[in-house]
Amino acid sequence: NAGVMQNPRHLVRRRGQEARLRCSPMKGHSHVYWYRQLPEEGLKFMVYLQKENIIDESGMPKERFSAEFPKEGPSILRIQQVVRGDSAAYFCASSPRQGPPYQETQYFGPGTRLLVL
Amino acid sequence: DQQVKQNSPSLSVQEGRISILNCDYTNSMFDYFLWYKKYPAEGPTFLISISSIKDKNEDGRFTVFLNKSAKHLSLHIVPSQPGDSAVYFCAASMEYGNKLVFGAGTILRVKS
Repeated sequence: NAGVMQNPRHLVRRRGQEARLRCSPMKGHSHVYWYRQLPEEGLKFMVYLQKENIIDESGMPKERFSAEFPKEGPSILRIQQVVRGDSAAYFCASSPRQGPPYQETQYFGPGTRLLVL
Repeated sequence: DQQVKQNSPSLSVQEGRISILNCDYTNSMFDYFLWYKKYPAEGPTFLISISSIKDKNEDGRFTVFLNKSAKHLSLHIVPSQPGDSAVYFCAASMEYGNKLVFGAGTILRVKS
């Protein structure tokens, strides 16, 4: 039973380029969450998605960042025109979200480490 | 605003002894708490969780205690093993909420 998959594991981009990070949730999980970890900090929530729906994007920067979780295929976190401050580890998590009570554990992928030169 | 705080950046413990990691929170709406363990260059691994209706949850060597009145939780690992050396994150979520709010983490070193 495969866990949460993320690729690429490492991504190097120059300032101004685009970064695309992919996440495939655990089998049977239909809810995906993206978190970012800056150096020496804890993980910070970015966005929560279900298939074809963004449920909560309260942690997403207002510009350059977008996320999707299409009906088919992985969830994508897209960063346009990257800047050095975007360098971080980006983690995806998934949960089954089968119903109340909404106290479900989120299971994390290995992360994508983005380095912006 | 740090709603979840882990005030000890690091902790060093002898193998076989007890490790106690602490976490404080400020938001009384949190009702589900989790501990994750993280090795370098890997994602967080779920360890144990506790609902606000309980004050203790145990799973093998790991026990989590919750003190709602003090807004404090702790993770006890006994006996500690060298393989437990990692960064431990405390996280919290609200009823019907979606996002986890993480502390900054505590580095645990278990010496053999």
